Amino acid sequence: NAGVTQTPKFQVLKTGQSMTLQCAQDMNHNSMYWYRQDPGMGLRLIYYSASEGTTDKGEVPNGYNVSRLNKREFSLRLESAAPSQTSVYFCASSYAAGTEAFFGQGTRLTVV
Amino acid sequence: DQQVKQNSPSLSVQEGRISILNCDYTNSMFDYFLWYKKYPAEGPTFLISISSIKDKNEDGRFTVFLNKSAKHLSLHIVPSQPGDSAVYFCAALYNNNDMRFGAGTRLTVKP
Repeated sequence: NAGVTQTPKFQVLKTGQSMTLQCAQDMNHNSMYWYRQDPGMGLRLIYYSASEGTTDKGEVPNGYNVSRLNKREFSLRLESAAPSQTSVYFCASSYAAGTEAFFGQGTRLTVV
Repeated sequence: DQQVKQNSPSLSVQEGRISILNCDYTNSMFDYFLWYKKYPAEGPTFLISISSIKDKNEDGRFTVFLNKSAKHLSLHIVPSQPGDSAVYFCAALYNNNDMRFGAGTRLTVKP
């Protein structure tokens, strides 16, 4: 049982480049989330999707876009990467809003 | 504006003793609280939760206490084991999907 799978695990980008982080879950969860983790800041919510077909902004959405491709997949796109977006990104899913979330292993992104 | 605060970045305890991890929050609208555990190079894993209508929830060696009037919750681990060494995040839910995390406390349990 894979749970939540994120790709890639590591990525280095140059300032201004674009990329998409992929996330898939096989637990038939309705809600999916993207977080970033920075030192001393805990995890901060970037975007979430309460159910297939819906997406909403979280605490720190600027510079990102998301797509809920289907019930399983939720991608995060950086259109023009900036050094401030250097972080560890976590995708998560939960059966429903307000229930505990299951996290992927994370993507370590460095923007130079 | 950090609405969930874990003021101790680290905690070290002896194996077999009690570990107490603390968390404070500022938003009285939070109605569900969770603790997650994180090992290096892994995602956080859910540990235990508590609804705002309760003041205590227990699961084996882990107990979470909630003091709503003080806007404070704590996680007790008894007895502590070396395998409990990890970073522990406190999280609070508001409006169902808006989960706010503390900065984490690194627990080290010494054999």
